[in-house]
Amino acid sequence: NAGVTQTPKFQVLKTGQSMTLQCAQDMNHEYMSWYRQDPGMGLRLIHYSVGAGITDQGEVPNGYNVSRSTTEDFPLRLLSAAPSQTSVYFCASSYADGGGYGYTFGSGTRLTVV
Amino acid sequence: KNQVEQSPQSLIILEGKNCTLQCNYTVSPFSNLRWYKQDTGRGPVSLTIMTFSENTKSNGRYTATLDADTKQSSLHITASQLSDSASYICVVSESSGNTPLVFGKGTRLSVIA
Repeated sequence: NAGVTQTPKFQVLKTGQSMTLQCAQDMNHEYMSWYRQDPGMGLRLIHYSVGAGITDQGEVPNGYNVSRSTTEDFPLRLLSAAPSQTSVYFCASSYADGGGYGYTFGSGTRLTVV
Repeated sequence: KNQVEQSPQSLIILEGKNCTLQCNYTVSPFSNLRWYKQDTGRGPVSLTIMTFSENTKSNGRYTATLDADTKQSSLHITASQLSDSASYICVVSESSGNTPLVFGKGTRLSVIA
C-alpha cells in the first residue's frame, strides 16, 4: 500500500550510541519532514527537505542529521544519543511544503535512550 | 509567536453523543487549517483541510468550521463511536516561509460505552 514507511517501530539506545531512523515514501512526494512528539507538546519539526539534495533545519535540529539522496528516502541520524532524545519520531511527506496539500505521516518510531 | 491552542485538553463522552473540539490560533499570515486524528501508537491522519475562504467542511461524521476573522476553528463529531477515541490535532499553516505547520497539543477524546 502506498504511504510512508518508518523503521524501526521501537528502539532502545544507550547514551552516546548512534543510529539511523529510516523513512521511505512511494507517492513521489517532494516534501519530507521529521517530527518528534513528546508528552504534553505538539509535534515539533526537526528537519525537512523540499526535494532530493535539499535539506534544512526545523525547530529542534540539534543532535540530528538528515540527507536526501533520493526522492523516496529521508533518513534521520542521531549522532550521539542523549536521554533528552527519548521521544516518538514521525516522518511525513507531502507534494509540497504548504498550501492545500495534505501530509501523510508514518506510523512512528518510539525511541528510548537510557 | 505563532501558536495553536486547543480545548479541552481531554474529553470523555458516551457512545452516540455529539461533541465539539475547539482550536484557536494566532498564526499569521494564514494559509490553511487542518484537523488530524491520531490513534494511540499511530501517526496522525488527515480529516479535513480548510483554506481561508472555506467556512465549513465535512468528512463523514466529522464537520470542521473555520472563522478566519476570529481565528477560531471547531471540529464537531456527530453520533460518536468507540473508534473515535483518539487525539485530535489542529494544525495551522502559514502562507509564507519554509516551515509552515504549527501544531496544537491536541484534544484527547475518549468515547465510552
